Parts: sequence; C-alpha cells; structure tokens
Amino acid sequence: GQQLNQSPQSMFIQEGEDVSMNCTSSSIFNTWLWYKQDPGEGPVLLIALYKAGELTSNGRLTAQFGITRKDSFLNISASIPSDVGIYFCAGAESPSSGSARQLTFGSGTQLTVLP
Amino acid sequence: DTGVSQNPRHKITKRGQNVTFRCDPISEHNRLYWYRQTLGQGPEFLTYFQNEAQLEKSRLLSDRFSAERPKGSFSTLEIQRTEQGDSAMYLCASSSQGANSPLHFGNGTRLTVT
Repeated sequence: GQQLNQSPQSMFIQEGEDVSMNCTSSSIFNTWLWYKQDPGEGPVLLIALYKAGELTSNGRLTAQFGITRKDSFLNISASIPSDVGIYFCAGAESPSSGSARQLTFGSGTQLTVLP
Repeated sequence: DTGVSQNPRHKITKRGQNVTFRCDPISEHNRLYWYRQTLGQGPEFLTYFQNEAQLEKSRLLSDRFSAERPKGSFSTLEIQRTEQGDSAMYLCASSSQGANSPLHFGNGTRLTVT
C-alpha cells in the first residue's frame, strides 16, 4: 500500500526561526494536505494542494506540491510559541466524484519552539 | 456551525466489553469518515460514508467493528468484545461532495481498554 515518509520526526527551534518539513511518497498522489494537531484534539487543516508544482501560502505557512507528485514540503517562517504541535502531511488519490477521499497520513513532525 | 462533534471524548472500558462512539458531522457535509490514531502515528483510515451508504471499509476494520449512519447525518462506531489493542484515538471527519473538499476532523474519542 501507499506509504508516506515524513521528516524530520521532531524539531527543536528558537522562536523566530524558520522551519521546514517534508513528505515523500512511494506512489503518486493527486492531493497533498498539511494538518496540525494539538494534544487531545483532532487534526486541523492548514493548507491543501491540488496541482503538481502548486505553491500555496497561509499566513506564515507555505507549502508546495512536488512536480513528481510524490513529495510535498511545508515551511513555517518566523516561528512563534503557538506553532508548537504535531504537523502531519496527508496524501489522497485522484478525487473523482464519488470516490472516497482516503487520506494516507505521514507519521508526523513534532515541533517544539523554544523562547 | 460548531464543526465535527464527537462523543464521548474519553472512554475507559474493560477488555471484552462493547463500546459505541458517536460523531455529528458538519451539517452540510454528506461524507463522513472514521479514522484511528495510535500514539506517535498519523491517523489511519477505517471507513467512509456518503450519505447513509457505507462505501468503503479498510482491512483494519475487523469483524468486531461496525459503523452506521442510518439517516445520513450522525454516525456511530461500535467495537464489540474490545481488546487492549483497540486502545487508540478514534477520529471522525466530514467533507462535502466536491472533488477538492478537504476533510475536517473532530477532536476524537480516546479509548482505553484495560
């Protein structure tokens, strides 16, 4: 089955620094999503990417859909304490109408922001 | 719109007991999903409904698991004869039918089987 390799597993950074994390897949995805999960809560959608090569920003977050369709990265600029949490990438196969959007998740990147 | 709501938030049960969780999706969403998440891992797909029809089930969904969405609104996930390996966070998500509609997750039900 499909597998996503997400790296790094954890990061410790100083407040104000930029962060980068990425995911690679053994197969092609047609949608890449990035979620953030805080302790005891469900994942919250940060950015959705639907086209190979697409670069999308959401405030201090920027994500790109790799042109091979097998990878994606997420950058966080000027990190702040509330950026702490676990970041997950997720990929989905072509979402034709009627097909399920089964997401395959990476294993997460635990981000710690030090003051 | 209060987002996806799941109840209970926490459930502790003894091995062998049956448990049932409820999910109320975002009201205008006709697609509903159940995922399971264990510590240190990302969520794993269990099953998916479009309206009241259960269209896909993962091989992770053993015979002890059953999910329903009788009226196409809320859904229940039942686990019979629970085992310690069932301990996990059970997440519900919903989406609209559009091709690029992202999944919105609830806060999950944390199950602990003792």
